[in-house]
Amino acid sequence: DAGITQSPRYKITETGRQVTLMCHQTWSHSYMFWYRQDLGHGLRLIYYSAAADITDKGEVPDGYVVSRSKTENFPLTLESATRSQTSVYFCASSPGQGYGYTFGSGTRLTVV
Amino acid sequence: KQEVTQIPAALSVPEGENLVLNCSFTDSAIYNLQWFRQDPGKGLTSLLLIQSSQREQTSGRLNASLDKSSGRSTLYIAASQPGDSATYLCAVALYNQGGKLIFGQGTELSVKP
Repeated sequence: DAGITQSPRYKITETGRQVTLMCHQTWSHSYMFWYRQDLGHGLRLIYYSAAADITDKGEVPDGYVVSRSKTENFPLTLESATRSQTSVYFCASSPGQGYGYTFGSGTRLTVV
Repeated sequence: KQEVTQIPAALSVPEGENLVLNCSFTDSAIYNLQWFRQDPGKGLTSLLLIQSSQREQTSGRLNASLDKSSGRSTLYIAASQPGDSATYLCAVALYNQGGKLIFGQGTELSVKP
């Protein structure tokens, strides 16, 4: 299906475990982004990527790792999950600077 | 540092009213401003995108304006319906910073039948 898809939709994990959230887009958009959404903080940028093999930190990158070996995929890894990383995570893509963003449906992550 | 503020935080109106949601930003060095809608437990749906060189955009009952020099945008919803109930988010794309979006906290709109 065309668009931007995130998986899984829901995930429960234990403190200290590694977990990877997946994001896939079918448009060959250059730019991809990861945001987290929390009550009281709104949407905050974690990492973004301007192209394959180019990534940069956003506002709240600590505890997260990203990679982008292929244009269409932008996985987000929590190396050692903490309760403070319980959140809803959104992936987004854009054709380039100055263009609109399209968001995925989100992954609700709970760290227990 | 760019800051985006949305007022009011919550709004409740009777069906049929016209309403205005406000968004302000502190740095005018933006590519564009985008309005999104978010239903509870769902993702973000893009409503309107206004480029920095534009003054307004319209889609159906929605009209968004942009005054870059004063750092303000408004989203006008005509003849509101209960189906318009959602949280509305505005976001600015930063110039020369990868176009990354900075979001406001949102306005939670409730339209009563």
